[in-house]
Amino acid sequence: EVQLVESGGGLVQPGGSLRLSCAASGFTFSDHYMDWVRQAPGKGLEWVGRTRNKAYSYTTEYAASVKGRFIISRDDSKNSLYLQMNSLETEDTAVYYCVRWGLVSGFHDYWGLGTLVTVSS
Amino acid sequence: DIQMTQSPSSLSASVGDRVTITCRASRGISSNLAWFQQKPGKAPKSLIYAASSLQSGVPSKFSGSGSGTDFTLTISSLQPEDFATYYCQQYNTYPLTFGGGTKVEIK
Repeated sequence: EVQLVESGGGLVQPGGSLRLSCAASGFTFSDHYMDWVRQAPGKGLEWVGRTRNKAYSYTTEYAASVKGRFIISRDDSKNSLYLQMNSLETEDTAVYYCVRWGLVSGFHDYWGLGTLVTVSS
Repeated sequence: DIQMTQSPSSLSASVGDRVTITCRASRGISSNLAWFQQKPGKAPKSLIYAASSLQSGVPSKFSGSGSGTDFTLTISSLQPEDFATYYCQQYNTYPLTFGGGTKVEIK
């Protein structure tokens, strides 16, 4: 069974940093692209960014709203995905979801439960 | 960026109704469109990819159609567990973008 479990969320002051983790199990993590998607309270879904797999040199893509502030990385030996968030703004307050990109289907096929990040003074 | 516009933003329907939600892309995205269902306080659940392909385990009452810029999600016979918010998403071009959501409520 595919499982994605996020952790690391919490309350942080504007300008601060936070690192989210996602522990993956039930599939060959190293084969898959992995994404982060967020959802502000009461709002819709926003794609944050992606890390490709080793075959594509772990290259990354980011939404314009986070580019230069957030860094997505992965450790295939630990089946883990990370989101380093720097220079946090109140607008970054959201539930952050770890999402698998399907190998065959080529879409967001499995989602984690999410972790809440609150940016507030 | 490609803008995804869903309509309606909300609808009220009864159990057993046939429901159709539309999604329009600001420019052509071929068939690179997915649909997700989200219930309050829960993570989104994948329903459909490639505009019309059903994700494994999703009941056949859900169907999708369209290509290019215009897409639809249809629920053939609405059941109590289907009351939720539905999102479309294009994955043709970076950044990946979602529609604003359609909330399906009980009439």
